[in-house]
Amino acid sequence: DSGVTQTPKHLITATGQRVTLRCSPRSGDLSVYWYQQSLDQGLQFLIQYYNGEERAKGNILERFSAQQFPDLHSELNLSSLELGDSALYFCASSVGGQAGNNEQFFGPGTRLTVL
Amino acid sequence: TQLLEQSPQFLSIQEGENLTVYCNSSSVFSSLQWYRQEPGEGPVLLVTVVTGGEVKKLKRLTFQFGDARKDSSLHITAAQTGDTGLYLCAGRFSGSARQLTFGSGTQLTVLP
Repeated sequence: DSGVTQTPKHLITATGQRVTLRCSPRSGDLSVYWYQQSLDQGLQFLIQYYNGEERAKGNILERFSAQQFPDLHSELNLSSLELGDSALYFCASSVGGQAGNNEQFFGPGTRLTVL
Repeated sequence: TQLLEQSPQFLSIQEGENLTVYCNSSSVFSSLQWYRQEPGEGPVLLVTVVTGGEVKKLKRLTFQFGDARKDSSLHITAAQTGDTGLYLCAGRFSGSARQLTFGSGTQLTVLP
């Protein structure tokens, strides 16, 4: 158990819908990272927040947005869902704000299926 | 776009055999990490290498960082069925301090 929690574990929805994925980092970690893992694209970095502020942006679509709240939990919002958005979405947390210098602890993921 | 290439993509071996997994890029890494991921779980960090030529050992796993910091390898000695999983390398490229780029992974299956 990494100490990072993600809900829900599974999510099935239809095209065009909007969903929210939730992540609680390890106690004491200030950074939250979101990743998308699909069979054809591998693990792709989406976005990072550090202590409530956006810190780095990766291959995140404009239909996707995220935020980190004062209690440091984070939410990833996916809208106008398409079939290709079906994937595993992972949240990771670390103590500091530098992705490569800090060990990232990954949550168990949310499996999103868009029908 | 900075890419990491891992090889092989799939590897199936018998228990007790040795194996090596490779991670390559055309760009220089500031640091490189190896992760292991099991089905239904998130990746778990195995090691971080920072210095060119660095070698780190974790029990039967040996990690090597290339002298030019453009490649890395993971060698497993006397593989066990418990080593089965997806092995991912992840690099932080020079000038891109804030994000990790992951390789596509090597799916290792160790047969009894």
